[in-house]
Amino acid sequence: EAGVTQSPTHLIKTRGQQATLRCSPISGHTSVYWYQQALGLGLQFLLWYDEGEERNRGNFPPRFSGRQFPNYSSELNVNALELEDSALYLCACRVSGNTIYFGEGSWLTVV
Amino acid sequence: DQQVKQNSPSLSVQEGRISILNCDYTNSMFDYFLWYKKYPAEGPTFLISISSIKDKNEDGRFTVFLNKSAKHLSLHIVPSQPGDSAVYFCAAQADPYQFYFGTGTSLTVIP
Repeated sequence: EAGVTQSPTHLIKTRGQQATLRCSPISGHTSVYWYQQALGLGLQFLLWYDEGEERNRGNFPPRFSGRQFPNYSSELNVNALELEDSALYLCACRVSGNTIYFGEGSWLTVV
Repeated sequence: DQQVKQNSPSLSVQEGRISILNCDYTNSMFDYFLWYKKYPAEGPTFLISISSIKDKNEDGRFTVFLNKSAKHLSLHIVPSQPGDSAVYFCAAQADPYQFYFGTGTSLTVIP
């Protein structure tokens, strides 16, 4: 069984551009969580999707948005990129009731 | 508002000795706690968890202790090995399926 997969592994964008990151949860599981890990910081909760709906979002500006598709894969969009958006973006999937499993992450660099 | 706190950014331990990583939380509604291990450039991997109805859970060299009255949990690694060198994140879960992470503790095990 494949784990959580994320793409791209690395992405370099210019300030003001838009970035799109993708995530596929573990097959058969419907929930997707997005977290940001900026340099020197912990895992900051961004968004949670389940069954195609946004269930909760963290304390991030509206230019961070996303969606979940019918096949439960998910997309995170960051508009009007700022330098401080440079971070590792992690996607996770809840498999058993109380545990989430992470993908390898997507590194976003804004220059 | 950081509901899960790991006050020690780093910890160094000699190989073979015990590593103790600490975590404090503020929300008494948290009912499940998890530890994740993260190597550089990889996603976090699930290590061990504990329900709020227990005060201890063991898995091989790893033991998690929960003190609900103090809102404190700790991860013990015995004996510590160089391969344990990583960043360790504490996480807490509140209903419904919302996960909050600490800022991480970087463990270095010295051979």
